[in-house]
Amino acid sequence: GDSVTQMEGPVTLSEEAFLTINCTYTATGYPSLFWYVQYPGEGLQLLLKATKADDKGSNKGFEATYRKETTSFHLEKGSVQVSDSAVYFCALSEGKSSGDKLTFGTGTRLAVRP
Amino acid sequence: GAVVSQHPSRVICKSGTSVKIECRSLDFQATTMFWYRQFPKQSLMLMATSNEGSKATYEQGVEKDKFLINHASLTLSTLTVTSAHPEDSSFYICSAGSASTDTQYFGPGTRLTVL
Repeated sequence: GDSVTQMEGPVTLSEEAFLTINCTYTATGYPSLFWYVQYPGEGLQLLLKATKADDKGSNKGFEATYRKETTSFHLEKGSVQVSDSAVYFCALSEGKSSGDKLTFGTGTRLAVRP
Repeated sequence: GAVVSQHPSRVICKSGTSVKIECRSLDFQATTMFWYRQFPKQSLMLMATSNEGSKATYEQGVEKDKFLINHASLTLSTLTVTSAHPEDSSFYICSAGSASTDTQYFGPGTRLTVL
């Protein structure tokens, strides 16, 4: 079945440091890939997505590129802020619509120090 | 953006009682809603997919008689944990799919503690 593997946290960085959170996946078809973020006390929010190979999703300074050859969707940000402290989830969906179920990774907690 | 609410945010109940959790899409209609369970430091585990006006589809290993799901309208789905036991204690999260944006929007979750 489908699965998502992401690096274990917590990840602790100083403000303005470069961020990478690794994510790899296993799927039978050509899934859509997502990064969700969960701020303390809030629900998961979609951060970015990519629906086909070589697509780059980007939002709020975060980027991730759909790499079919390495089955990866690593999250990057050039300069993190304290407000980026949250839990980040990588996910995939076999379908392209909002009615298709998501398979999540275990989440990576990011803590950014001032 | 689209907002999904859950009520209650926290509930503590005695073993053997039933608990109902509501999930509402506040500013959009959701044909499909999903219910997840999240254990500490673990991923979200999909429990069931709920379609408005029809029976929910449960994932393998999820007891449908224990976790009753009702999706009576395009803005409301409910999860009832029947005869709750301490092992049902968990964080329950719902999401609602928006056809107009092709995105799932998540509720803030409900922390259930069964004593």
